[in-house]
Amino acid sequence: KAGVTQTPRYLIKTRGQQVTLSCSPISGHRSVSWYQQTPGQGLQFLFEYFSETQRNKGNFPGRFSGRQFSNSRSEMNVSTLELGDSALYLCASSLGQAFPQETQYFGPGTRLLVL
Amino acid sequence: AQKITQTQPGMFVQEKEAVTLDCTYDTSDPSYGLFWYKQPSSGEMIFLIYQGSYDQQNATEGRYSLNFQKARKSANLVISASQLGDSAMYFCAMREGNFGNEKLTFGTGTRLTIIP
Repeated sequence: KAGVTQTPRYLIKTRGQQVTLSCSPISGHRSVSWYQQTPGQGLQFLFEYFSETQRNKGNFPGRFSGRQFSNSRSEMNVSTLELGDSALYLCASSLGQAFPQETQYFGPGTRLLVL
Repeated sequence: AQKITQTQPGMFVQEKEAVTLDCTYDTSDPSYGLFWYKQPSSGEMIFLIYQGSYDQQNATEGRYSLNFQKARKSANLVISASQLGDSAMYFCAMREGNFGNEKLTFGTGTRLTIIP
């Protein structure tokens, strides 16, 4: 089975721009979660989508948004980029049906640099 | 209060030795899951092992085992016979709450370096 894929892998943007990141989950997985990883804040949960609906949300400003399509692929959008948005953005997928033993499988991440 | 605490920022271990990475957690939820992930320099988070709060036995996956001490709220990862490829960041994570909560809370990680 193919793993979680994320595109693009690397991205350079300037302040004020917006960016869209894409995540394709493992086949059959209906839940997609997004995380931000920075040296200062570590790994932080952004949001989770299940069956095209946002089911959980972390403590991030409204500039961070996402969506999920009927094929479970997900996109994350960040508008009005700030320098502090520079980070590794990780996407994880899971079946979305079993708790608490369900494992999230992560993609390779997208490294975003905001100049 | 931190929900997941990893007190070892970095560790150096001789190849072929066993290593224990510490993790303590804080939750009032009776149902929770504990996970360990490995993150090489490439960035991808690789799932290693899972322990459920109701599991009676410690989890094992190949060279990885989880020393689960529920009363102490401790879930240490043990890697037996370490290899050079084990050099990476290791994160302890927890999922708690009701069904449908996919949020994982991560610790700050431990950077493990295996010395030949």
